[in-house]
Amino acid sequence: GENVEQHPSTLSVQEGDSAVIKCTYSDSASNYFPWYKQELGKRPQLIIDIRSNVGEKKDQRIAVTLNKTAKHFSLHITETQPEDSAVYFCAASTGTASKLTFGTGTRLQVTL
Amino acid sequence: NAGVMQNPRHLVRRRGQEARLRCSPMKGHSHVYWYRQLPEEGLKFMVYLQKENIIDESGMPKERFSAEFPKEGPSILRIQQVVRGDSAAYFCASSPGGRGEQYFGPGTRLTVT
Repeated sequence: GENVEQHPSTLSVQEGDSAVIKCTYSDSASNYFPWYKQELGKRPQLIIDIRSNVGEKKDQRIAVTLNKTAKHFSLHITETQPEDSAVYFCAASTGTASKLTFGTGTRLQVTL
Repeated sequence: NAGVMQNPRHLVRRRGQEARLRCSPMKGHSHVYWYRQLPEEGLKFMVYLQKENIIDESGMPKERFSAEFPKEGPSILRIQQVVRGDSAAYFCASSPGGRGEQYFGPGTRLTVT
C-alpha cells in the first residue's frame, strides 16, 4: 500500500520568513495530494491540494509543488504569520474518491 | 452550507462498553470516510462508505469495529467492548466523490477508562 513520509517533524521560523515542508510517497498510482492544517484540538482543514497533471499550484501565501518523477511534493508558506502556527499534514490518494494516506505531520511554530 | 457534523464531541466509556460515533456528511456529499488519530500522531484511514455500501474497510480492525451508512440518517462507527487502546480522536470526512477533496468534521474524542 501507499506510504507517505513527511519532514521535518518540527519547524520553527521567525515571522515573515518562509517555511517549507516536504513529503515523499511510494505508490506511483497516487494522483491527488492535499495538505491539511490542524490547530490544537480542532479538525484538519484542507488548505491546498494538487493533482498529478499539475506541477505547481499557488493560493496567496501558500504554494504546493509536485515532482512525479521523484515522487515528492512540498508545501511552501511565504511571509509566515503567528496564525500559521499549527500541525500540517500531507496526504496522498490514488483516485478521486479513495482513502487518504497521511504523513506523520509537521509542527510549525512561527515566532515573533 | 453546514459542514460535516459529528456527535458526540466527547465520549467517555468504561472498558467493555460500546461506543457509537455519528457522522453527518456535508449536504450533497455521498461519500464518508472514518479516520483515527492517536495523541501526537497522524490520521489513519479506517473505512470508506457510500450510502448502504462499505467500499473499503482495509483500515478497520477485524474485531469489535463496524461501520454503516444507512439510506437515511448519519454514518455510524461502532466499537464494541472498548479497551484503553481505543482512546483516540475519531474523525469523519465527507466528499462529493467526483473531485477528491475530503472535508473533516470536528471529531469525537473517545476516552476509555
